[in-house]
Amino acid sequence: GAVVSQHPSWVICKSGTSVKIECRSLDFQATTMFWYRQFPKQSLMLMATSNEGSKATYEQGVEKDKFLINHASLTLSTLTVTSAHPEDSSFYICSASGTGKNIQYFGAGTRLSVL
Amino acid sequence: QKEVEQNSGPLSVPEGAIASLNCTYSDRGSQSFFWYRQYSGKSPELIMFIYSNGDKEDGRFTAQLNKASQYVSLLIRDSQPSDSATYLCAVEIEGTSYGKLTFGQGTILTVHP
Repeated sequence: GAVVSQHPSWVICKSGTSVKIECRSLDFQATTMFWYRQFPKQSLMLMATSNEGSKATYEQGVEKDKFLINHASLTLSTLTVTSAHPEDSSFYICSASGTGKNIQYFGAGTRLSVL
Repeated sequence: QKEVEQNSGPLSVPEGAIASLNCTYSDRGSQSFFWYRQYSGKSPELIMFIYSNGDKEDGRFTAQLNKASQYVSLLIRDSQPSDSATYLCAVEIEGTSYGKLTFGQGTILTVHP
């Protein structure tokens, strides 16, 4: 149980384009989803926390107009990187919790490369 | 000051030995603690969680928590080369409603045959 699916796993895009990443909880209702970014050889950095039906809460320094998060249902959250630039190239990982113990289960991650 | 600290390693142990991974945290009010394993290029996977002082065992893994010392550890018995990965300690931030975690920088474990 507690499976989180994340798509796409890898995306390459041109600078200035937007990219949407989906995160789905497959076998539980995810009341909360989290979006992280991880640069090579660094730990996870939380970008934002989203709860179903409400606006996401962004961490300090994360541009909410650049990283659009939608959590429209209890099983789906999306992260859209708008007008992506090479410095946005990173490993983006979602996690979901909702099993009652505040345990976060992670998706497989999306590796974004912006040319 | 970092909120969750881990020795980045690398920690190298021979196959069959016990690997001991340590983590300290600064928020005395933290109640929930997690260990995740992350293979290179992959996302983290949950190994164990612990809420109460003492030990919690699951197969070859034992998590130990000492809230007075603000210290949590993970022991891996009979280490295998497949255990080679980065181990992330995560602590739930007190006062947040949604289980927000702070992660340590991770300890790289290498188990050599």
